[in-house]
Amino acid sequence: GENVEQHPSTLSVQEGDSAVIKCTYSDSASNYFPWYKQELGKRPQLIIDIRSNVGEKKDQRIAVTLNKTAKHFSLHITETQPEDSAVYFCAARGGYQKVTFGTGTKLQVIP
Amino acid sequence: NAGVTQTPKFRVLKTGQSMTLLCAQDMNHEYMYWYRQDPGMGLRLIHYSVGEGTTAKGEVPDGYNVSRLKKQNFLLGLESAAPSQTSVYFCASSLIGLAGVNEQFFGPGTRLTVL
Repeated sequence: GENVEQHPSTLSVQEGDSAVIKCTYSDSASNYFPWYKQELGKRPQLIIDIRSNVGEKKDQRIAVTLNKTAKHFSLHITETQPEDSAVYFCAARGGYQKVTFGTGTKLQVIP
Repeated sequence: NAGVTQTPKFRVLKTGQSMTLLCAQDMNHEYMYWYRQDPGMGLRLIHYSVGEGTTAKGEVPDGYNVSRLKKQNFLLGLESAAPSQTSVYFCASSLIGLAGVNEQFFGPGTRLTVL
């Protein structure tokens, strides 16, 4: 089955700096890669996603890159703000709509 | 639209007791999922369903059963609860939209403690 690894597990940045979270996946058939943000005590919510036929996607301060050959994808947050503090999860969708999540990255933005 | 709802929000069980968690969605989504979330382990897929009347095993199915008798409902059952099943349980639903996008919408979660 699919295996998704996510690094780092925790990340502290100064407000205004950039944050990068990296994930790798094992199943070459995976074709859709979403990123979710989960604030403390709340449900995960989609923030950005990318399909396997696209190398990069950007939405304001958030961008995701995908390298299919190396089977890794990354989340980039620029000009970080305190409200970006949360746990971020990467995921990969493989066959039969099965979605596998990474173990999460706790991002702390220090004012 | 209520989106995805879960019942109950909290529950405490004793070892060996049984219970059913209910997930309901009003978005006419085909796909529904049950995850458990434990500290440091992310979201792990228990079971999922790609349509009414169908279910499939995820990463950690042992000790759980599911049923999808109606499209809008996905039930997760624990026949004989164990302390290792103490966790936060999230239900999610999705459909395959344009260009294969598959955004999952999550319920608010159920916090289960097994003593």
